[in-house]
Amino acid sequence: KNQVEQSPQSLIILEGKNCTLQCNYTVSPFSNLRWYKQDTGRGPVSLTIMTFSENTKSNGRYTATLDADTKQSSLHITASQLSDSASYICVVSAFGNYGQNFVFGPGTRLSVLP
Amino acid sequence: DTEVTQTPKHLVMGMTNKKSLKCEQHMGHRAMYWYKQKAKKPPELMFVYSYEKLSINESVPSRFSPECPNSSLLNLHLHALQPEDSALYLCASSQWGREAFFGQGTRLTVV
Repeated sequence: KNQVEQSPQSLIILEGKNCTLQCNYTVSPFSNLRWYKQDTGRGPVSLTIMTFSENTKSNGRYTATLDADTKQSSLHITASQLSDSASYICVVSAFGNYGQNFVFGPGTRLSVLP
Repeated sequence: DTEVTQTPKHLVMGMTNKKSLKCEQHMGHRAMYWYKQKAKKPPELMFVYSYEKLSINESVPSRFSPECPNSSLLNLHLHALQPEDSALYLCASSQWGREAFFGQGTRLTVV
C-alpha cells in the first residue's frame, strides 16, 4: 500500500533557529516528491519538487534532500521566521492508471515562537 | 500565470441548498483535481479529471457532482449536503510528472 509518513507530528522552535522535518515513503512506482507549506485554512503552496535522480534542492531558506534508496526525504529550514509557522506536507507522486497519484503525508505542524 | 483560482473563498449553505464551487487555471494543465480537507488532516482525493474526462471518483457520495466544462475550468456542484461535509475544498491542477498547483480553497460550512 502506498504510504507517506512524516515526523515529528509537531515541532516548536524559537525564531532564528534551524529545524529539519522528515518524510519516509513506500510509494511505487515513484515519480517525484514534493514538499508543500500549508497555512491554516489555505491551500498548500509548493516549496520543492524532486525527481528520482535529484538529491538536494534549495528554495531560499528551504533545502530538501532525497535518498531514493532508503526512501527518505528531509526538509531543512534555516534561520526560521515567524511566518514559517504552518503545516509542512510531504507528497509523493506515483505513476497511476490516469497518469499520477498523489500520496499525502499527514504533515508536520511547525510553530515558530519569538 | 501559475495560479489556481477558487471561488468562493467561503460558503455557508443549508442542507437543502444547491451551490457550486468553481476552479480555474490557465497554465495549460490537463489534469485537475478536487480534494476535501478536514482540520489537521491531509487532503483526501475526491475526483480527478484528465483531458476534461472524469478519470477517478474516489467513491464520493452523489451529493457531490463534478463537472469540467473545458480545459481551464472545474466545478463541484453541491446538493443536499450534510454537516459532516463541512471542510476545506481544494482544487489542484498539474501536468503529468510535475508538481501540482493548489488553489486557496473554499471553506464550506453546512448548517
